[in-house]
Amino acid sequence: QQPVQSPQAVILREGEDAVINCSSSKALYSVHWYRQKHGEAPVFLMILLKGGEQKGHDKISASFNEKKQQSSLYLTASQLSYSGTYFCGTEMGGATNKLIFGTGTLLAVQP
Amino acid sequence: GAVVSQHPSRVICKSGTSVKIECRSLDFQATTMFWYRQFPKQSLMLMATSNEGSKATYEQGVEKDKFLINHASLTLSTLTVTSAHPEDSSFYICSVGLGGSKAFFGQGTRLTVV
Repeated sequence: QQPVQSPQAVILREGEDAVINCSSSKALYSVHWYRQKHGEAPVFLMILLKGGEQKGHDKISASFNEKKQQSSLYLTASQLSYSGTYFCGTEMGGATNKLIFGTGTLLAVQP
Repeated sequence: GAVVSQHPSRVICKSGTSVKIECRSLDFQATTMFWYRQFPKQSLMLMATSNEGSKATYEQGVEKDKFLINHASLTLSTLTVTSAHPEDSSFYICSVGLGGSKAFFGQGTRLTVV
C-alpha cells in the first residue's frame, strides 16, 4: 500500500523551514527519501532503517518513529535549490530495493 | 555507488509502433533491476522487476505482453513498449541497488506517443 505524504504542496520563502510527513498503516521495512526536479531522475537524500532513528546532513534531516509507520523529513533554512517534489519510499518485501513511493510533496521555495 | 545509464532520454513515436528503452548498470552487476513509470504530477509507480536470466515479474495491472522486459546480462535490461498508444506516454525510469540501501536511478526516458 502506497505511503501517504502530507502536505501535498508547500510554498516557502528562502530561509524558512518545512516538515514533510510520510505515513503508512503498516510498519515499513525502511524509509527512503528522494527529491525530484521536473523531468529528472529522483535524487537520493537518505535512508532510515531502524525505528526511532534520526539522521541528517547539513540542513536536511529525517526521523523514523518507533513503530516504523511514520517518517518526517525536516528542511531548515530552505534554499532555492530545495525546490522540487519530495517522495518517501519503502522497500517491498524487506531488503529488496524494490520501492513503493509515497504520494509526493511539491515544495516551492521562493526568493 | 552504481552508475546507471538509460537510453534514450527522449523518444517520440507514432501510435502502433514499438519503442525499446535500455538500462545499463555500468559498474554494478545487477541480477535485479526495476522499472518505474511516472505520469505527470504523479508518483513513481513500480511496473516490474527485471530478473537476469529469467522472466520479469510484473506488478498488478501492468500488461506483460505490452511491456516486454529482457534482462539478458548482469548489466543490461531493456523495456520494450509494444504497439504504443498515446496513453502510454509517460516518464519511464529504471533503478538498481542493494536491499536496505539507496537506489540508483537511470536518467529516465520521456516517451511521447503521437
